[in-house]
Amino acid sequence: GEDVEQSLFLSVREGDSSVINCTYTDSSSTYLYWYKQEPGAGLQLLTYIFSNMDMKQDQRLTVLLNKKDKHLSLRIADTQTGDSAIYFCAESKNTGGFKTIFGAGTRLFVKA
Amino acid sequence: DSGVTQTPKHLITATGQRVTLRCSPRSGDLSVYWYQQSLDQGLQFLIQYYNGEERAKGNILERFSAQQFPDLHSELNLSSLELGDSALYFCASSAFDRDGEQYFGPGTRLTVT
Repeated sequence: GEDVEQSLFLSVREGDSSVINCTYTDSSSTYLYWYKQEPGAGLQLLTYIFSNMDMKQDQRLTVLLNKKDKHLSLRIADTQTGDSAIYFCAESKNTGGFKTIFGAGTRLFVKA
Repeated sequence: DSGVTQTPKHLITATGQRVTLRCSPRSGDLSVYWYQQSLDQGLQFLIQYYNGEERAKGNILERFSAQQFPDLHSELNLSSLELGDSALYFCASSAFDRDGEQYFGPGTRLTVT
């Protein structure tokens, strides 16, 4: 089956690192993504990783993929109040087209 | 600004009615995706079009249909509307060889009364 699970809430202090975790079930997934959604806005693609990669770093963002455990994480270094948002983990695979399954989203709250 | 535009921004209609949501992808993007976001169901993939052809289908109800036109804009038609169809509807687009990178529009908020 296809399912993406993530914890619903995370609270951190400004300046600390945030780690948002996600597990997925489809081992044939091609891409795994992190999206950010701010209140009243659409989803913004933050970063994505191919399933044959273990890690990807992009400025303050680090994505780690453990394919054996089907576990994906997003680390945000030096978390700022502007990082407060909902973060969605998603997986997709190419079946001729791309069908993307999203998690329920993790609400990150950054305390000043 | 992602470059994806959606109209209208808000739509209020009654049960049983039919509405059309419109999406213009980023310039040059051939793929368009539709998603529904609601409080109880989360974000659900509905359908993907690529250069005018349906490419992938998700949890799209039979009452819903979509199409992509030669100028690559897309429309999502929702008919026989029910209260439970109230949601945010997002469109996303991606380039030909970059299906992993989807750019989302601001969404259309549909309220069915």
